[in-house]
Amino acid sequence: QSALTQPASVSGSPGQSITISCTGSSSDVGGYNYVSWYQQHPGKAPKLMIYDVSKRPSGVSNRFSGSKSGNTASLTISGLQAEDEADYYCSSYTSRSTPVFGTGTKVTVL
Amino acid sequence: EVQLLESGGGLVQPGGSLRLSCAASGFAFSDDAMSWVRQAPGKGLEWVSSISASGGITYYADSVKGRFTISRDNSRTTLYLQMNSLRAEDTAVYYCTKGWVDSNYLYWGQGILVTVSS
Repeated sequence: QSALTQPASVSGSPGQSITISCTGSSSDVGGYNYVSWYQQHPGKAPKLMIYDVSKRPSGVSNRFSGSKSGNTASLTISGLQAEDEADYYCSSYTSRSTPVFGTGTKVTVL
Repeated sequence: EVQLLESGGGLVQPGGSLRLSCAASGFAFSDDAMSWVRQAPGKGLEWVSSISASGGITYYADSVKGRFTISRDNSRTTLYLQMNSLRAEDTAVYYCTKGWVDSNYLYWGQGILVTVSS
């Protein structure tokens, strides 16, 4: 199972909105509503930010939102803040009954 | 409070074996599926294996199938990963997570480093 495709890096200024894409196929992203997004700061464990495409766990800021169209899922961060600078990974359930992660995106706050 | 604490990592020679443990607390361990996810140095996340709540169903990534075995002891609320025939490419931080193959991993351990090198 190949990793889902994400842009290597995305940047934005404080207060702006950015969107990270996550492209797969009909065998994963496009076929199931089990897409998750994780935030990871250096040296730390990943943190679940979005699950089931667009649901937010308790305690996650509503500045984070998720969506999906076809074989591509997206994570949007609105009102970008310095603390949002981190690596972000998408993941999806697949037709092989296993999950697959994305290649990861480094978000830089300018 | 959910806590997941990995142990058993370290340096091992290629071809060697290692068993990781993950001590769980703060939730009904026997009711939940568990998984292992790893991250090679400077690289992305890679799902490794998942086990159902009862232990009766297991899944593995192709990269570890036939070499790694996931198991659990619900009486000890502990998850295990037996790693055999280790290769240099298995070098990674291994995370214990609460969750199934739907990749909905809300809780993570702090991670444990496994280094495969001669």
